[in-house]
Amino acid sequence: NAGVTQTPKFQVLKTGQSMTLQCAQDMNHEYMSWYRQDPGMGLRLIHYSVGAGITDQGEVPNGYNVSRSTTEDFPLRLLSAAPSQTSVYFCASSNQGPYEQYFGPGTRLTVT
Amino acid sequence: QQQVKQSPQSLIVQKGGISIINCAYENTAFDYFPWYQQFPGKGPALLIAIRPDVSEKKEGRFTISFNKSAKQFSLHIMDSQPGDSATYFCAASDNDMRFGAGTRLTVKP
Repeated sequence: NAGVTQTPKFQVLKTGQSMTLQCAQDMNHEYMSWYRQDPGMGLRLIHYSVGAGITDQGEVPNGYNVSRSTTEDFPLRLLSAAPSQTSVYFCASSNQGPYEQYFGPGTRLTVT
Repeated sequence: QQQVKQSPQSLIVQKGGISIINCAYENTAFDYFPWYQQFPGKGPALLIAIRPDVSEKKEGRFTISFNKSAKQFSLHIMDSQPGDSATYFCAASDNDMRFGAGTRLTVKP
């Protein structure tokens, strides 16, 4: 099992550019989520999904879109990147809802 | 507004000592309280977790103490080792997970 994988590991964007952060898991988990981690603020939930075809907003959803067409994949889209989106992004999955989540290695995004 | 408040921000402990990190929450609907450990450049990893019907849970050198009436919980690391040096996050969950701001623990040899 690879667990939760994320690509890319690092990305630099210019303001206004768009991109997709990829997340995949091979544990057949129904629940998947995206967090951003900023210094001194812990992790904040962006979006989550309780199963294929179902997504919902978390604490900080503005500027981000998600979709869940398969159980395995949960991509995060930035439609028009802003410097405020500079952060480390983590994807997580669980077979018990928001409990016992397994985190991926993260994507460090810089928006200039 | 942070729903889970964690202290201290940083902690330095001698090898063999006890590390104690505290968290407080407001939302009484929270029903799951995990602690995550994160090493630099890595994702958080679940360390130990507790439900509110239990006042204490121990796994090896790691213990969670939970005080439902005070809406507080804490992580105790006994016999702290240099390999425990990491950032620790408390969290609380009902329909989604809310994290504390993190504590950077340094264990000096």
